[in-house]
Amino acid sequence: AQKVTQAQTEISVVEKEDVTLDCVYETRDTTYYLFWYKQPPSGELVFLIRRNSFDEQNEISGRYSWNFQKSTSSFNFTITASQVVDSAVYFCALSEARNQGGKLIFGQGTELSVKP
Amino acid sequence: DSGVTQTPKHLITATGQRVTLRCSPRSGDLSVYWYQQSLDQGLQFLIQYYNGEERAKGNILERFSAQQFPDLHSELNLSSLELGDSALYFCASSVGQGRDGELFFGEGSRLTVL
Repeated sequence: AQKVTQAQTEISVVEKEDVTLDCVYETRDTTYYLFWYKQPPSGELVFLIRRNSFDEQNEISGRYSWNFQKSTSSFNFTITASQVVDSAVYFCALSEARNQGGKLIFGQGTELSVKP
Repeated sequence: DSGVTQTPKHLITATGQRVTLRCSPRSGDLSVYWYQQSLDQGLQFLIQYYNGEERAKGNILERFSAQQFPDLHSELNLSSLELGDSALYFCASSVGQGRDGELFFGEGSRLTVL
């Protein structure tokens, strides 16, 4: 079965703290893709990153970093030195290559609140 | 701005009615996707069209239908509306068929059924 679990429903931090958002996935496929999307208060979904199942290299983009570990089926997202503008709901998503098309399975989302 | 345009942004209607949501994909994108976001179900995939043909189907109700026109815009039709259909409906687009590509989402159409 394909499933994405974001166990943290809400996280609240103070500005400049580091925060990690957890994502655990389930899939039977050997080829799949993982994504993180951000949904700010304005409502749109903003693409942050895509990772394929054959590339376990961690990625860093500015204050954002992602840790992909196939051994634990996890794809965690860390924001370093958080800022108020990072306040949003963050979604982890899975796409299986065997799917006919680009169906994304989303987790329930983690609402991050960064307080000044 | 993702380049995906959805109209209307907000819609309030009554139970039993029918509405049409419209989506214009990014220039050059051939795939259009519809997703529903509700408090109890989260973000759910409804349906995908690629270059005018249905490509993948998710948990789309029989009361809902969609199509993609020759100019690649898409419409999602929701009929016999129920209170539970109140949700944010997202359209997304991608260049290819979406297996490994990123999806560009519109700002959504918020439907309220009273």
